Amino acid sequence: DAGVIQSPRHEVTEMGQEVTLRCKPISGHDYLFWYRQTMMRGLELLIYFNNNVPIDDSGMPEDRFSAKMPNASFSTLKIQPSEPRDSAVYFCASSLNQAYSNQPQHFGDGTRLSIL
Amino acid sequence: AQKITQTQPGMFVQEKEAVTLDCTYDTSDQSYGLFWYKQPSSGEMIFLIYQGSYDEQNATEGRYSLNFQKARKSANLVISASQLGDSAMYFCAMREGWEDSSYKLIFGSGTRLLVRP
Repeated sequence: DAGVIQSPRHEVTEMGQEVTLRCKPISGHDYLFWYRQTMMRGLELLIYFNNNVPIDDSGMPEDRFSAKMPNASFSTLKIQPSEPRDSAVYFCASSLNQAYSNQPQHFGDGTRLSIL
Repeated sequence: AQKITQTQPGMFVQEKEAVTLDCTYDTSDQSYGLFWYKQPSSGEMIFLIYQGSYDEQNATEGRYSLNFQKARKSANLVISASQLGDSAMYFCAMREGWEDSSYKLIFGSGTRLLVRP
């Protein structure tokens, strides 16, 4: 079975450019999460969706960040304009109904983003 | 206060020996879940094992087991018969707040394990 698929795997771009990260969750999963991993702050939850609806975006650092989930099989995380401090590894994860507490979140391979 | 504390930034273990990775947590919720993830040098996050706060028995999954001590708020991961492929970062994570349906995972800072041949 296909896992969570993220693209691109690596992105290098210049400050001020728009960056779009993409995620395809595991089929049938109704929760989708976006995380950011940095050396300084570790793994942080940015936003999560349930049935394509954003539930909690309190981790989104600022208005430059936005996330959408137009359908059950696709989500994007957009940074506009990008800044060097946005450099990090961005993970997408999905899971089944979280009401069942033992449902783990399954992570994609991540997108390594470098803003020059 | 830190919600999840992993006090061992790095550890070594000899191949074929067992190793314990420490994790303590802080929560006032009665219902919560604890997860362990492995992150190899290739970067992906791999789910290893889960322990629920009401589970009476310690979780086991192959060579992984969880030493859950609720009163001490600790959920240590035990890896038996270490293999070279176990060399990786290991993260402890907690999900709390079942009552308000919060599904956030809070991660610790991780422990880097190196298995020596």
